Amino acid sequence: QVQLVQSGSDLKKPGASVKVSCKASGYTFTSYAMNWVRQAPGQGLEWMGWINTNTGNPTYAQGFTGRFVFSLDTSVSTAYLQISSLKAEDTAVYYCARDSCSSTSCVPMDVWGKGTTVTVSS
Amino acid sequence: QSALTQPASVSGSPGQSITISCTGTSSDVGSYNLVSWYQQHPGKAPKLMIYEGSKRPSGVSNRFSGSKSGNTASLTISGLQAEDEADYYCCSYAGSTTWVFGGGTKVTVL
Repeated sequence: QVQLVQSGSDLKKPGASVKVSCKASGYTFTSYAMNWVRQAPGQGLEWMGWINTNTGNPTYAQGFTGRFVFSLDTSVSTAYLQISSLKAEDTAVYYCARDSCSSTSCVPMDVWGKGTTVTVSS
Repeated sequence: QSALTQPASVSGSPGQSITISCTGTSSDVGSYNLVSWYQQHPGKAPKLMIYEGSKRPSGVSNRFSGSKSGNTASLTISGLQAEDEADYYCCSYAGSTTWVFGGGTKVTVL
């Protein structure tokens, strides 16, 4: 079945970096874009951006430029989110979510990973 | 890009219908028929309930329906059930391959 399996929770100190993985299975990885969504504790969903899994071209939402990097390893059907210079306010659950959009229809974020909790604390 | 505006909470009794609004602008909700709705239970990943304004993915109950008028989209849950108690988020295409979420609405079944 179609699923996205994310890496486990991580505890980091301020200033460190973290890399979250999202491994896809059950479909052709390069045929669907991948989004990243952040949810801070007790807060709503924030769209961080997406990566074209065919070209590797990323698009970042306002507020997620500079320290946030989306990347791919298509050989293992995996998308990555790397956050550098971590701050306490980066503490959140990070989700990957697949897009099924074409020129004729768009089903955004139809499949989600279970989320990765990143905690930034000294 | 500013978040779409949703009411913080909506409640209803079992069997009733409730409607959640999602207000954007002419740059997002008003310009595209690309509003989606997500249900999120505590500690769980969001689940797609409605896409392209009013379409339901396979497996989603027909008690959930979506609509749009101008810059405001709406999600209606009819025949409210205890399992519908959750947070609901709208999301709209905002141009230039970007998306924007609403702030979320907590639905309580009384």
